[in-house]
Order: sequence, then C-alpha cells, then structure tokens
Amino acid sequence: SSELTQDPAVSVALGQTVRITCQGDSLRSYYASWYQQKPGQAPVLVIYGKNNRPSGIPDRFSGSSSGNTASLTITGAQAEDEADYYCNSRDSSGNHLAVFGGGTKLTVL
Amino acid sequence: QVQLVESGGGVVQPGGSLRLSCAASGFTFSSYGMHWVRQAPGKGLEWVAFIRYDGSNKYYADSVKGRFTISRDNSKNTLYLQMNSLRAEDTAVYYCAKDLADGDYEFIFDYWGQGTLVTVSS
Repeated sequence: SSELTQDPAVSVALGQTVRITCQGDSLRSYYASWYQQKPGQAPVLVIYGKNNRPSGIPDRFSGSSSGNTASLTITGAQAEDEADYYCNSRDSSGNHLAVFGGGTKLTVL
Repeated sequence: QVQLVESGGGVVQPGGSLRLSCAASGFTFSSYGMHWVRQAPGKGLEWVAFIRYDGSNKYYADSVKGRFTISRDNSKNTLYLQMNSLRAEDTAVYYCAKDLADGDYEFIFDYWGQGTLVTVSS
C-alpha cells in the first residue's frame, strides 16, 4: 500500500503563515484531506478535495497540491491552531484502502 | 447535527474478542459509507475498515484482515466492528467516522465520534 510522509514537527510565530506538507505517490492520483487533532479530542476535517473547507472551518486554512506533494497552509496562525495535523488520501494501488500520514505537531509561538 | 457515539471498548486478553458499536444520528445513516479508524496511544491515525452504505462492500487494512469484521444495521443506525484474535498491537482508541460521499465512497472522513479505548493486555 501507499505511504504518506509528513514532517514530525513545525512551528510558527503567532499571526504568521505556516505550510505543512505531505508527500506520497498516491497524491499524484488523489487529493489529500487534512485533519486537525487537539489533545484528547477526535480529529476534525479541515480541508478536502482541491481546496474545500467544511462548514465552520476558518478561511485561514487552505490546501494545495503539486505532483506528489500536498500542502496545508494556515495564513495568520492563531494560538488555537496549535494541534496535530494529519493528511490522508485513498491508496493508489487499487486495493480500496485509505492511508494517513504520520502527523505533524504544529506549535504556535 | 451529526452525532457518532462509540461504545464497547475495554480491557481484553491477547487472543480474545470484542465488539464495538457506533450509534449514528443526525443524518441518513443508510446513505453513507462508514469507517473505523484507530489511534494507538501517543501514535498517529490508522485506517482500519470501511463498509459501503448498503453493506455490499467491505474493505480492511492488511493489519486486521481476517481478524476484524465490519458490519452495519441500517434499521438501527448502528455500525459495528467485531474484533477477534486480538493482539497487544491492537491497543488503541477506535473511532467511527462517516464518509463524505453520499452513496459512494471517497475515503474522506467528515465526522468522527469521540472514540472508545481498547486495551489488549494480560
């Protein structure tokens, strides 16, 4: 099955812009989705498809993709954005599987 | 609003069995595929299994294939995960999650339950 690779940790100064990346072969065929998870809570979908935000997700969250790399960008990071972020996509091997990246811990300084 | 409430977690010995349930409300359960996703303590997310809206297709991660069975009862708006031959490495919080797609599947998880903890230990 496919694998998705994320940087383990990223930091950003309050109010600045940060990009979290996700790499994998499956991203050449499928868009990534992005999930935010705060300690002790369930994940929350923040971006899916080309660049779609579910209802209630602030517009400072955006997504993009190029080749085998997907990115989640937070423009003007807030303290409440400090969390773990996971990407996922469908597996591209035809085995009807879903894959997740290992997650990125975002620290807002 | 969409609600997913898992139950059935607990402590079980290696080799034992457990059945998880996920009660769904706030949407037309019979129209959406459903997933189980797990998270070992301090680790990342791992997709476990998917069942199509009508139960006609089921897919599993290699790590649980042959040991876990996903099922659903659309008359009760409930999703299940039967877990047999449990191993220490199955210890995790198990989440049920709704697929974004209506009538098909995208492997995009737009709503999640709060999870239920399964601990496999002697």
